[in-house]
Amino acid sequence: DGGITQSPKYLFRKEGQNVTLSCEQNLNHDAMYWYRQDPGQGLRLIYYSQIVNDFQKGDIAEGYSVSREKKESFPLTVTSAQKNPTAFYLCASRSSYNSPLHFGNGTRLTVT
Amino acid sequence: EDQVTQSPEALRLQEGESSSLNCSYTVSGLRGLFWYRQDPGKGPEFLFTLYSAGEEKEKERLKATLTKKESFLHITAPKPEDSATYLCAVHENRDDKIIFGKGTRLHILP
Repeated sequence: DGGITQSPKYLFRKEGQNVTLSCEQNLNHDAMYWYRQDPGQGLRLIYYSQIVNDFQKGDIAEGYSVSREKKESFPLTVTSAQKNPTAFYLCASRSSYNSPLHFGNGTRLTVT
Repeated sequence: EDQVTQSPEALRLQEGESSSLNCSYTVSGLRGLFWYRQDPGKGPEFLFTLYSAGEEKEKERLKATLTKKESFLHITAPKPEDSATYLCAVHENRDDKIIFGKGTRLHILP
């Protein structure tokens, strides 16, 4: 079945450590997105990529980094510079110009 | 600043009691407006896309409508299984960002 896989589902890290969240899609979609969701905040855009080897900052990119070396993969690194990293992270992709986003089931990151 | 605002933040209805959720938006040019349903601990599930004012889409007990400044998600005779958070998102002409509202938490009481 085609879809978006985010792993792991739960992730725990100590403060000061960088951590990378995985996002893989087998939908052959061109564009991929990362969002962060906090209680009462809705989804906030971190980074997005329309094609391989190119990506743009979203509204809350500080403290995060991404790469897009392959069409099917868009990993997100949460760096130690991110002040409040504990959140639910959602990866999404879409196929074309006006198509909707399709989401993975998220990774819940807890940093203590 | 571009903005997507959803209201109410939360809504409790009795089973069978119809109502509407609102999504108002201010963007320089709308490429598309999307509605999603999200269950706790899961990723959002796509419901509808609306592209132009006057457009309507229906799926089971849900109907989405669009004007130049807002969209409504009408829910008719809801059932407890319709309980979820409903998210609205807009895709504007200026760039490839898709911006979400904060959602409406809907709870249907049996």
